[in-house]
Amino acid sequence: DAGVIQSPRHEVTEMGQEVTLRCKPISGHDYLFWYRQTMMRGLELLIYFNNNVPIDDSGMPEDRFSAKMPNASFSTLKIQPSEPRDSAVYFCASSSGQSHIQYFGAGTRLSVL
Amino acid sequence: AQSVTQPDIHITVSEGASLELRCNYSYGATPYLFWYVQSPGQGLQLLLKYFSGDTLVQGIKGFEAEFKRSQSSFNLRKPSVHWSDAAEYFCAVGAGNAGNMLTFGGGTRLMVKP
Repeated sequence: DAGVIQSPRHEVTEMGQEVTLRCKPISGHDYLFWYRQTMMRGLELLIYFNNNVPIDDSGMPEDRFSAKMPNASFSTLKIQPSEPRDSAVYFCASSSGQSHIQYFGAGTRLSVL
Repeated sequence: AQSVTQPDIHITVSEGASLELRCNYSYGATPYLFWYVQSPGQGLQLLLKYFSGDTLVQGIKGFEAEFKRSQSSFNLRKPSVHWSDAAEYFCAVGAGNAGNMLTFGGGTRLMVKP
């Protein structure tokens, strides 16, 4: 299995631009998680899905952030408009059923100038 | 709600020395407990997990962890550290009634001296 695949690995953009991060979970997994990692705040859960349905989005920082999961094999995290404080590494993870084991992608390093 | 504390932000050990990374959790029932490792520029990789049964669990790369309910702890150990173990280590707790959601500690950065 290829594992969780995230794209792009690096994104540099200017303040005010729209940014879209992509994630392909492991085939057969029914949970998908989006995290943000910064030096100041550590690893934060932004939102998670079960069977493509958003379950808890309380970690989404504000309305500029949105996430979708149109099908079991694809999810996006969008920031519009982006701000310099959004600079971070964004991780996607997936897991199966009640295993509670999350498998992480390699992350997307976002820099907003 | 559950929480996880990793009291040590940084630890430095000499290569070949033993290692113990501390993890304390807060949760009302028996938790699911995990240790993950993150190498620079990489995602998190599962080292080991505890769900139930034997309180001493073995993981990959020679790591082990012991669940101590009375101390609400799940410390990670390795008898002899290798330079390649330098990384950041995260303890996490999962609750059975919260789907597969995990709560992560703040992480401990391990440095290994030659």
